[in-house]
Amino acid sequence: NAGVTQTPKFQVLKTGQSMTLQCAQDMNHNSMYWYRQDPGMGLRLIYYSASEGTTDKGEVPNGYNVSRLNKREFSLRLESAAPSQTSVYFCAIKRANRGNYNSPLHFGNGTRLTVT
Amino acid sequence: KQEVTQIPAALSVPEGENLVLNCSFTDSAIYNLQWFRQDPGKGLTSLLLIQSSQREQTSGRLNASLDKSSGRSTLYIAASQPGDSATYLCAVNNQGGSEKLVFGKGMKLTVNP
Repeated sequence: NAGVTQTPKFQVLKTGQSMTLQCAQDMNHNSMYWYRQDPGMGLRLIYYSASEGTTDKGEVPNGYNVSRLNKREFSLRLESAAPSQTSVYFCAIKRANRGNYNSPLHFGNGTRLTVT
Repeated sequence: KQEVTQIPAALSVPEGENLVLNCSFTDSAIYNLQWFRQDPGKGLTSLLLIQSSQREQTSGRLNASLDKSSGRSTLYIAASQPGDSATYLCAVNNQGGSEKLVFGKGMKLTVNP
């Protein structure tokens, strides 16, 4: 999906290993999000960043950390991966200013993570 | 707590049919509602966004309506084509200054040639 680049596309980890999922955007949007998508559970928000330098917890933040490195980049880190973190992870962005939420979300193509 | 439901979970139709996809939500205090399309192995693509003050939005063969008081939205697809086959998701943005969208689990549509 144009505008939002996620790396890597696929990853297999062993329990206890760590890794960082990268997300970069070229649309100069303020808000960035990390979601996970699981069968039967739908999309759930992990963390989000409303602007550079700020981050907030979403619905399922446990086991994850994030960094909003600059306006373009928002990374998601798994410090000690667990099988329950096997999922598809999506980064999304939105051109939103405080108080105005009427902008669509734009998604990346996802990172497919398997933890064995 | 806001809950978003899409029924049925899957639908298979012959090409050419006009389709209505349903989305219901439990809390009518929403800021907006969005419809997305997801192709296998891909991210979500935004189709339409309806603000709480609007009743409908149109884009090409797609028309989305919003009835906030009854907690329902429909996505109408005219003259369906095999290329419309995908999973369709709706999501609501609650009022109160929330950045968070609540997603339905999606409806998998198959349009057969």
